[in-house]
Amino acid sequence: DSGVTQTPKHLITATGQRVTLRCSPRSGDLSVYWYQQSLDQGLQFLIQYYNGEERAKGNILERFSAQQFPDLHSELNLSSLELGDSALYFCASSSTAGGWETQYFGPGTRLLVL
Amino acid sequence: AQKITQTQPGMFVQEKEAVTLDCTYDTSDPSYGLFWYKQPSSGEMIFLIYQGSYDQQNATEGRYSLNFQKARKSANLVISASQLGDSAMYFCAMRWISSGSARQLTFGSGTQLTVLP
Repeated sequence: DSGVTQTPKHLITATGQRVTLRCSPRSGDLSVYWYQQSLDQGLQFLIQYYNGEERAKGNILERFSAQQFPDLHSELNLSSLELGDSALYFCASSSTAGGWETQYFGPGTRLLVL
Repeated sequence: AQKITQTQPGMFVQEKEAVTLDCTYDTSDPSYGLFWYKQPSSGEMIFLIYQGSYDQQNATEGRYSLNFQKARKSANLVISASQLGDSAMYFCAMRWISSGSARQLTFGSGTQLTVLP
């Protein structure tokens, strides 16, 4: 158990809908990262937050947004969902924004868009 | 651009034998970190081992060791005494400076390891 929690574990929804994925980092970690794992794109970095502020952006679509709250949990919002958004979404956390420390991953949320 | 290459889509190894999973990377930055993660069929990503670009010694963690050859830009994972529970997808990843102090992970495509009894 990495100490990172993600809810829900599974999500099934329809095209055009909006969903929210939630992540709680390990105790003491200030950085949260979101990744998407799909069959055709592999594991891709989406976005990073550090202590409530956006720190880095990767291949995140405009339909997707994220935020980190004062209690450090983070939410990833996916809107106008398309079939291609079906993927495993991971949250990871680390203690700082810019060090070389390990990112620990949550169990992931498996999203299926029908 | 930073890139991680894992050329072995699938590998088989006999139980109790050692296996090497290949990883090469491409970066022009002198400072970076290399990681290996394991993803069993259940889906979670489990951290295995880390090697910093300035580390003089190869990293080891129990049965895992990292064969780091900086000049060749390779960071191969060696698993000794394979166990059935080692059957999983293995990802090599590099952490690099994307902007300012932000460091993001770039992953390779993974190697599916199957341990045979």
